[in-house]
Order: sequence, then structure tokens, then C-alpha cells
Amino acid sequence: ETGVTQTPRHLVMGMTNKKSLKCEQHLGHNAMYWYKQSAKKPLELMFVYNFKEQTENNSVPSRFSPECPNSSHLFLHLHTLQPEDSALYLCASGRERVTDTQYFGPGTRLTVL
Amino acid sequence: AQTVTQSQPEMSVQEAETVTLSCTYDTSENNYYLFWYKQPPSRQMILVIRQEAYKQQNATENRFSVNFQKAAKSFSLKISDSQLGDTAMYFCAPFEGGGSNYKLTFGKGTLLTVNP
Repeated sequence: ETGVTQTPRHLVMGMTNKKSLKCEQHLGHNAMYWYKQSAKKPLELMFVYNFKEQTENNSVPSRFSPECPNSSHLFLHLHTLQPEDSALYLCASGRERVTDTQYFGPGTRLTVL
Repeated sequence: AQTVTQSQPEMSVQEAETVTLSCTYDTSENNYYLFWYKQPPSRQMILVIRQEAYKQQNATENRFSVNFQKAAKSFSLKISDSQLGDTAMYFCAPFEGGGSNYKLTFGKGTLLTVNP
């Protein structure tokens, strides 16, 4: 729909597992973002990449590790997560600046047991 | 920290009618941006409308318009001629700052249901 895809769509993992979320955009954008959407909290911006360089980390715990190998791909590596990390993780891309229109992916529904 | 308040957790409207979603925020900046995002059930989040604080004219996008009251720090969204496809969660999001020092904060959202 919007040119931003995310895999997997659903993920269940134990607290000791290591997994990765993948995001890919086909829109030729230079900025990519990770958001966390919890059931009882507002949407939170976690990481911002602009031209492959991380420009923002909103005090996200180190058990979340982003990687942006190129402008089209963004990963979120997960390890030693907690049950409260269960949420919908959204990826978005934009032309360049945070204020540019952002195009969101469908999200990965993560459940941590 | 920036505070965003969407005081209506849920709203409903009849098809073809007009509805207004409220949003208030707190900022110490003079220039900033304001966004309304829409998240339909099981579908992707999309941008509805954007307002730049230094512009006095209210933004309009087809059936969507805003009432931006800068002094009151209010940014309401009006949906005219509501359609069934407008059923969604709506999020207000102010943005302030620039360069590598900025903040984008989302409200908790308003669930709008358009009834036939």
C-alpha cells in the first residue's frame, strides 16, 4: 500500500531469545524510523535514521539495537526483552526530515513471554 | 517534556455529518509543527493533515481541516461529510525543535466510529 513493508508481521519470543525485525521501504526516502505502540501508552518514537546515520535515540533501553545498512533497510535487533516490551512496532520512512510526511509500515506485533 | 491531550477517547458520528476531534498541547517553542495521523483498523497509519505554527491560515485537505489556536495551544481536527472509511484511531502529534535536537510527541488517540 504505502511502499513500506515489515517482517515478520507477528513474533512471539521468550525473554532469553534474540530476534530481529526488518523494515524495507521502496519509496526512495532518506529517513527511516522505529516507533513503539503499546496498548496503554501513546505512540513513542524510538529511533531515527537519516541518510543511514542515527540522529535520535529517545532513551531506548540497550536491549533494542537498531541497524540501518542502507537507506532502504532498517532492522531492530532484540535481545533479553521483558514482557512489558510486548507491543506493535512500527517502521516509517520519510523524504528527509522528521517533519516530512512519514509513510508507515503495517507493523510487527511482538509478544514477549 | 511535551504534553499532548486528546480529551475524547472515543467519538461516533453519523455518515455525512461533521465531527470535530480536539487536541491541546504544551510547548515553549514559538515555531513548531502539528500533525494529525489516522490509523484505520488493521491498516497502516497515514498522515491526515499538517500545520506549521508560523502560518496563521488553517490547513485544509479535502474534507479535513484544522482549527489552530496558537495562543490557546489547541489543534482540533474537523472532518466534514464523514464517510465509513473515516472510522479509525486519530492521533494528534506536535513536533518541536530542529536539527538533531527535537521531539515528536503523540497523544493517546481518539477512536472515531462513523455509523451508517
